[in-house]
Amino acid sequence: QQQVKQSPQSLIVQKGGISIINCAYENTAFDYFPWYQQFPGKGPALLIAIRPDVSEKKEGRFTISFNKSAKQFSLHIMDSQPGDSATYFCAASWDSGYSTLTFGKGTMLLVSP
Amino acid sequence: EAEVAQSPRYKITEKSQAVAFWCDPISGHATLYWYRQILGQGPELLVQFQDESVVDDSQLPKDRFSAERLKGVDSTLKIQPAELGDSAMYLCASSLRDGSYEQYFGPGTRLTVT
Repeated sequence: QQQVKQSPQSLIVQKGGISIINCAYENTAFDYFPWYQQFPGKGPALLIAIRPDVSEKKEGRFTISFNKSAKQFSLHIMDSQPGDSATYFCAASWDSGYSTLTFGKGTMLLVSP
Repeated sequence: EAEVAQSPRYKITEKSQAVAFWCDPISGHATLYWYRQILGQGPELLVQFQDESVVDDSQLPKDRFSAERLKGVDSTLKIQPAELGDSAMYLCASSLRDGSYEQYFGPGTRLTVT
């Protein structure tokens, strides 16, 4: 019930291409779905987040697509750049009173020049 | 821009020794989290504070780990005795208030137990 399953484990995309990372969850109580970006040796940084009342949220080159019936959400990075090379984590949380995040295992993205 | 501060950034210790990590959350953030991140995995919550009170420590190995946030501001996570399997990144995060989902992470402390 607490798991968030993320795929793929790693991804190589050419510069200018679209990077797509997928996550699936089981707990229907989840109501907040953020994506974090982590560079080596750094802590995760909040990238973009969505709530289940909308199906898509876009911020610059980053878009979250959310499918409530399928219990899936995905991150799309348009016009991928070498500087986007990092590990990306999806996560989910619900209003248990203490907003605990459950993270996926991460996707290592490499954008080749 | 306000940031979560952590120290030390790196720590090497021998097994059976004691080790402590410090975290200073973003000013005004009432909720503080300690996570452990094993290489190649996502962060896993160890303990969560609301002000000075522990609200979730269900995943904290209490036989060797302890955490405190005495004045509801900065926090210390201690391991005693350290074991080889404790080698990981220890991350601190904070959020504005109870129920505020946005968590902001510090740079972490990389612990190596030899």
